[in-house]
Amino acid sequence: SQTIHQWPATLVQPVGSPLSLECTVEGTSNPNLYWYRQAAGRGLQLLFYSVGIGQISSEVPQNLSASRPQDRQFILSSKKLLLSDSGFYLCAWSVLGQERSTGELFFGEGSRLTVL
Amino acid sequence: GQNIDQPTEMTATEGAIVQINCTYQTSGFNGLFWYQQHAGEAPTFLSYNVLDGLEEKGRFSSFLSRSKGYSYLLLKELQMKDSASYLCAVMDSNYQLIWGAGTKLIIKP
Repeated sequence: SQTIHQWPATLVQPVGSPLSLECTVEGTSNPNLYWYRQAAGRGLQLLFYSVGIGQISSEVPQNLSASRPQDRQFILSSKKLLLSDSGFYLCAWSVLGQERSTGELFFGEGSRLTVL
Repeated sequence: GQNIDQPTEMTATEGAIVQINCTYQTSGFNGLFWYQQHAGEAPTFLSYNVLDGLEEKGRFSSFLSRSKGYSYLLLKELQMKDSASYLCAVMDSNYQLIWGAGTKLIIKP
């Protein structure tokens, strides 16, 4: 069966510090991978998505970046965090485009980032 | 622009029935999803509708009317564990998901 894991689950970082969140998927190949951010009381905001190794699409211009060094690994990074980067970050995968797929998303456990 | 509207919060009683509405305006339509999200946790998939009508899955049902840009999630025989946020999302013509802000459902004994 397919599983998705992301870490760390919780982190508190000072303004201006770097960030690295990692996500890995097991049990499927060539998944579409996504990074979302959810601010308190707000809907999910798509940050990045990837349809293959090295292929990253950015939805929102900001100080965050994403990379996909391997088929089932997706990394969210920042060189210098801002206060506004605080939120709940979710990694997700789907097999949109594959047979019998509705495109539903499967989410990781989430990473709660607090920037002070 | 693209827009998903759903009530911010609803309250219901244990054992009762509740209907959570979602209206949408998107560029194209490739399906509507409902997700459940407990506080502090990731969303989990509940239902998918791409054709008009009602999809039933146990205590949960989801309805879609494409001509009206409208969906609802119906929860029967409410249990305390159903207290959560319910997210409506529409897949547009580019196969991107547009998300509503979610409806926080509070269940009272």
